[in-house]
Amino acid sequence: NAGVTQTPKFQVLKTGQSMTLQCAQDMNHNSMYWYRQDPGMGLRLIYYSASEGTTDKGEVPNGYNVSRLNKREFSLRLESAAPSQTSVYFCASSEGGARAKNIQYFGAGTRLSVL
Amino acid sequence: AQSVAQPEDQVNVAEGNPLTVKCTYSVSGNPYLFWYVQYPNRGLQFLLKYITGDNLVKGSYGFEAEFNKSQTSFHLKKPSALVSDSALYFCAVIAGNTGKLIFGQGTTLQVKP
Repeated sequence: NAGVTQTPKFQVLKTGQSMTLQCAQDMNHNSMYWYRQDPGMGLRLIYYSASEGTTDKGEVPNGYNVSRLNKREFSLRLESAAPSQTSVYFCASSEGGARAKNIQYFGAGTRLSVL
Repeated sequence: AQSVAQPEDQVNVAEGNPLTVKCTYSVSGNPYLFWYVQYPNRGLQFLLKYITGDNLVKGSYGFEAEFNKSQTSFHLKKPSALVSDSALYFCAVIAGNTGKLIFGQGTTLQVKP
């Protein structure tokens, strides 16, 4: 079972470069999320998509854009990378709908370094 | 504002001893609470959740958590720790009606042989 798949696993960028992190889920989930994980700060929500065709800002959206390409795929784009965006990025998905269903399933993460 | 606090950065226990990882929360309305575990270089895995009902919730790998409304706590417990339980543990609460999770900062559990 693939679950949530993220690509790439690792990436090194120079300041100012752009890149897109890809995420796909095969569980027919409605909702998808992008988080960043920094030491001592837990996971912070960047953007989320409650359902296909909708996206909303989370706690730390600045410097990022997202696209919900279809029900399966939710990509995160850094238009002009900054060293402050060095982090581990996680994509997650959930059934959505009523709150009780919202167990989120996570990908393995993308480790991004911006020099 | 909804929030979750994990007061301990690290918890150390000996294998075979009981373990507790603490979590307190602040929410408006009824809380929907979760515990997740993260093994090195992996994504988060769901352990258990409290929605309503019995205050003692049982989850994966022998873990359980006790919901205490008066103390606004949701501590994670296990009667007998294993070395393989060593990992990073996150408590989380659902914010409002959006399904968004708010995470605590995480607690590293170290189980020594």
